[in-house]
Amino acid sequence: EVQLVESGGGLVQPGGSLRLSCAASGFTFSDYWMHWVRQAPGKGLVWVSTIKGDGTGTKYVDSVEGRFTVSRDNTKNTLFLQMDSLRADDTAVYYCVRDGIAGFSDLDYWGHGTLVTVSA
Amino acid sequence: QSALTQPPSASGSPGQSVTISCTGGSSDVGLYNYVAWYQQYPGKAPKLIIYDVNKRPSGVPARFSGSKSGDTASLTLSGLQAEDEADYYCTSYLAYNKYVFGTGTRVSVL
Repeated sequence: EVQLVESGGGLVQPGGSLRLSCAASGFTFSDYWMHWVRQAPGKGLVWVSTIKGDGTGTKYVDSVEGRFTVSRDNTKNTLFLQMDSLRADDTAVYYCVRDGIAGFSDLDYWGHGTLVTVSA
Repeated sequence: QSALTQPPSASGSPGQSVTISCTGGSSDVGLYNYVAWYQQYPGKAPKLIIYDVNKRPSGVPARFSGSKSGDTASLTLSGLQAEDEADYYCTSYLAYNKYVFGTGTRVSVL
């Protein structure tokens, strides 16, 4: 059974940093692109970042480019999101998401999410 | 990249059909046949229900269907059921493995 379990969320002051983790199980982690998607309270979904299976390629939404860094440890089946220079508008639930291989747009498994609150 | 445009709400009675639109442009929905739809209940993670415009993952009922015409994709819920009351989001692939989501539509079953 595919499982994605996020951790590392919490309260952080503006300008601070936080590192999210996502523990993956039930599939060959290194075979899959992975994504981070966020959702501000009461708002819609926003794609944040992606990383290739072997970690050699990364992409970001413009609003986090230069502040967030996605990485992975395939020996520990874990995805990371290092978030620096955090702002109030980064407050959201952050979901770890697997990019399926059935098609070209199937983000097929989602974690339960971890809440990041940026506030003084 | 701006969010794809969806109507804020849609509704129907049990057994009826509801169609939700998702409008983008020539660099996303209009360019790629890589539109997906997600269902999200309050406080829960989204669930994939349609991918690549009109494909259904295993276990998703056939009453969920997708289509696309030009820059607009659509999700149709046929034979509406009480359990279909949820938020629905579209998404489109962009170049270089990036994605953009729609603004979301809340479906109510009257």
